[in-house]
Amino acid sequence: EAQVTQNPRYLITVTGKKLTVTCSQNMNHEYMSWYRQDPGLGLRQIYYSMNVEVTDKGDVPEGYKVSRKEKRNFPLILESPSPNQTSLYFCASSLRNGTGLLGILSYEQYFGPGTRLTVT
Amino acid sequence: AQSVTQLGSHVSVSEGALVLLRCNYSSSVPPYLFWYVQYPNQGLQLLLKYTSAATLVKGINGFEAEFKKSETSFHLTKPSAHMSDAAEYFCAVRRGNNDMRFGAGTRLTVKP
Repeated sequence: EAQVTQNPRYLITVTGKKLTVTCSQNMNHEYMSWYRQDPGLGLRQIYYSMNVEVTDKGDVPEGYKVSRKEKRNFPLILESPSPNQTSLYFCASSLRNGTGLLGILSYEQYFGPGTRLTVT
Repeated sequence: AQSVTQLGSHVSVSEGALVLLRCNYSSSVPPYLFWYVQYPNQGLQLLLKYTSAATLVKGINGFEAEFKKSETSFHLTKPSAHMSDAAEYFCAVRRGNNDMRFGAGTRLTVKP
């Protein structure tokens, strides 16, 4: 089954304790991305990756790190979590070049089930 | 720069009534537009997408959306709401390899 998986699904931690949220996809997608979802703000992009070893900042990258050593995995790292990083996190993946009448930009993103993080 | 505005953070309809969720975008070039649905405790699932092939797009679960360039809108509709449609809906616009922006979301409630 084609899917994006995230672990853990729920995490409660304390300020300053490093944590990693894993993301894995089995669709051979080049593009992967992390978002955070907060009430009234929709989804905001944290980091994205166009392919292995290629990552870049999204709209809200402060306090986060990512790596893309393998095509299927894109972990999100919080070196020193703070309470303002309490949120619902989603990983997503897509083809970099889609199909369709006008080609490359028609692809959609596939989302993982989310990780609810609470930092106290 | 481009952004997405969803009018109404909460919409409530009766079962069997028309569903209309509004989305307006701003973009200097023709965009690619998407509607996603999020059921409780789940990730986002694609409902439909507009990719310039046809202005009226049909999606899953009986939803459809119409792209209106003159109004910069991409409203989501369904003729008859079902209880199972209760969820949060997100409009998103994409241009380029990465520039994808989501609206703030509209929570749909369906009353019996």
